[in-house]
Amino acid sequence: GENVEQHPSTLSVQEGDSAVIKCTYSDSASNYFPWYKQELGKGPQLIIDIRSNVGEKKDQRIAVTLNKTAKHFSLHITETQPEDSAVYFCAAKGRIQGAQKLVFGQGTRLTINP
Amino acid sequence: DTGVSQNPRHKITKRGQNVTFRCDPISEHNRLYWYRQTLGQGPEFLTYFQNEAQLEKSRLLSDRFSAERPKGSFSTLEIQRTEQGDSAMYLCASSLAGRGGISTYEQYFGPGTRLTVT
Repeated sequence: GENVEQHPSTLSVQEGDSAVIKCTYSDSASNYFPWYKQELGKGPQLIIDIRSNVGEKKDQRIAVTLNKTAKHFSLHITETQPEDSAVYFCAAKGRIQGAQKLVFGQGTRLTINP
Repeated sequence: DTGVSQNPRHKITKRGQNVTFRCDPISEHNRLYWYRQTLGQGPEFLTYFQNEAQLEKSRLLSDRFSAERPKGSFSTLEIQRTEQGDSAMYLCASSLAGRGGISTYEQYFGPGTRLTVT
């Protein structure tokens, strides 16, 4: 089955700098890759996603890139702000007919230092 | 608020007791998912429904766990004879299945129910 690895597990950056979180997946048939932000005591919040037919997607300060050949995808946050501090999860969805489950990475705790 | 809602938000129970959680998906979302999240880990898939049909179950869903979605709207997750290893956050998510051949994959999560088994 699908396996998703996420790095780093913790990341600390200065406010205003950029942050990059990377994930690799094992199933080359996976076709959907969302990123979630989870704050303490809350459920995961979908912040951006990308499908396998697209190489890059951007939404204001956040962007996601996908390299299907290498089977990895990355989250980029620019001009970081204190409110970006949270745990971020990547996930992948397989393409088997009827399969809808997301397989998540282990998470990255991002801390933005003022 | 039109997001996914879950009740209760917290549940403390003694080992061996049964517990039931409820999830109300986003209105008109016909797919509903249950995940479990332990401390420091990403969510792990348990099961999902399309309308009232349970279409996929994880091996994590032992015979002590049962999920229902009788009318294709809200869902319940019951755990019988709880064990300390069941302590976790139980998350519900919903999405809209594709219409007209167009698939939508976005899953939106609720706030979760935190279960503590003592």
